[in-house]
Amino acid sequence: QQPVQSPQAVILREGEDAVINCSSSKALYSVHWYRQKHGEAPVFLMILLKGGEQKGHEKISASFNEKKQQSSLYLTASQLSYSGTYFCGTERKYGGSQGNLIFGKGTKLSVKP
Amino acid sequence: ETGVTQSPTHLIKTRGQQVTLRCSSQSGHNTVSWYQQALGQGPQFIFQYYREEENGRGNFPPRFSGLQFPNYSSELNVNALELDDSALYLCASSFPGGYEQFFGPGTRLTVL
Repeated sequence: QQPVQSPQAVILREGEDAVINCSSSKALYSVHWYRQKHGEAPVFLMILLKGGEQKGHEKISASFNEKKQQSSLYLTASQLSYSGTYFCGTERKYGGSQGNLIFGKGTKLSVKP
Repeated sequence: ETGVTQSPTHLIKTRGQQVTLRCSSQSGHNTVSWYQQALGQGPQFIFQYYREEENGRGNFPPRFSGLQFPNYSSELNVNALELDDSALYLCASSFPGGYEQFFGPGTRLTVL
């Protein structure tokens, strides 16, 4: 079942903060976050695993509430380069990032100068 | 590393035709997944190949099929094209046991 992302869109000024939420009605093993800029391929941001492990290579933080099957992506002190559409992808079974991700519809983030 | 590449960039077909899309993964990536992304939507998982065998499939009919080759390249084949097949098709590869999927730029397929 497709995870639900909120908000659908958000507009920020440079330096402002934002939170993007992702929730699922099913028990999850992991949540993956990707950002896709217009006309480009999605780029990996972070994975949050059941049990608290996190892996990512961006200066972006996230949380995973296993009880509620919810994840939140925190964008602080936003920069123009943060603009794009953010997708969460959920995985229900063990397998690392072996595909089989169910992506949400995305949250479009626009950062203005 | 040259990254993940896909060909062609754009493609126009008519209903009922067949199409083959190609993906070239990074060296060492033995897992490749294919996704369909409709306009304004998130990528939808089609199937995954691991060591040249199908290793998981999404909710897509059998007319969507694939192949993975030993040289880290793969194909997505779609038979009997329908108008709803118009979308961006993305392939993504990963290292063995890796968390990160590396996406290609996609092939934009238009079915008329």
